[in-house]
Amino acid sequence: GIQVEQSPPDLILQEGANSTLRCNFSDSVNNLQWFHQNPWGQLINLFYIPSGTKQNGRLSATTVATERYSLLYISSSQTTDSGVYFCAVGAAMDTGRRALTFGSGTRLQVQP
Amino acid sequence: GAVVSQHPSWVICKSGTSVKIECRSLDFQATTMFWYRQFPKQSLMLMATSNEGSKATYEQGVEKDKFLINHASLTLSTLTVTSAHPEDSSFYICSASRGAGELFFGEGSRLTVL
Repeated sequence: GIQVEQSPPDLILQEGANSTLRCNFSDSVNNLQWFHQNPWGQLINLFYIPSGTKQNGRLSATTVATERYSLLYISSSQTTDSGVYFCAVGAAMDTGRRALTFGSGTRLQVQP
Repeated sequence: GAVVSQHPSWVICKSGTSVKIECRSLDFQATTMFWYRQFPKQSLMLMATSNEGSKATYEQGVEKDKFLINHASLTLSTLTVTSAHPEDSSFYICSASRGAGELFFGEGSRLTVL
């Protein structure tokens, strides 16, 4: 099946700093989503971005499908941004299934 | 956006008992729902695909007789953990999609088996 790699695995930032999280995937995708998992475990949808660029406030994401990677940018980080960020993809070959395969996540800690 | 709801959020049970978790799509019909499991400090792993009106499809290594999935309507899928044991303690999350696009996830259900 498709492989999803996220980097870095862990990241510590000072409040106000910017960061870039990366997601590499091994095959063509028809779905790519970024999530933030809060301390209670709930997955918060950040972006649905199988290709192109999107922005939402301090967050933005870019997916270059032809080169099989996606980037999540966090600007002016806040302590509430802490948590685990997951990239998840749907392989283009899995047209009948549509399940997402998750990366291992980036654990972000923003310090005041 | 679309809403997917799970119940219960937390459940504690004794070893050997069965536990049912419900997953509902609140504002759309979902012919397919997905069940994931997440152990502490790990990623989400797909357990099974729940298909309305037909048998679920299980991922390799997931025991279908232990994790019973019923997708009786277009808005409800249930996961029953039968004869639960402490190693089944985990965070279970369901997801659904309106169609071919974005998947929406429930709040998750944390199971603790004593």
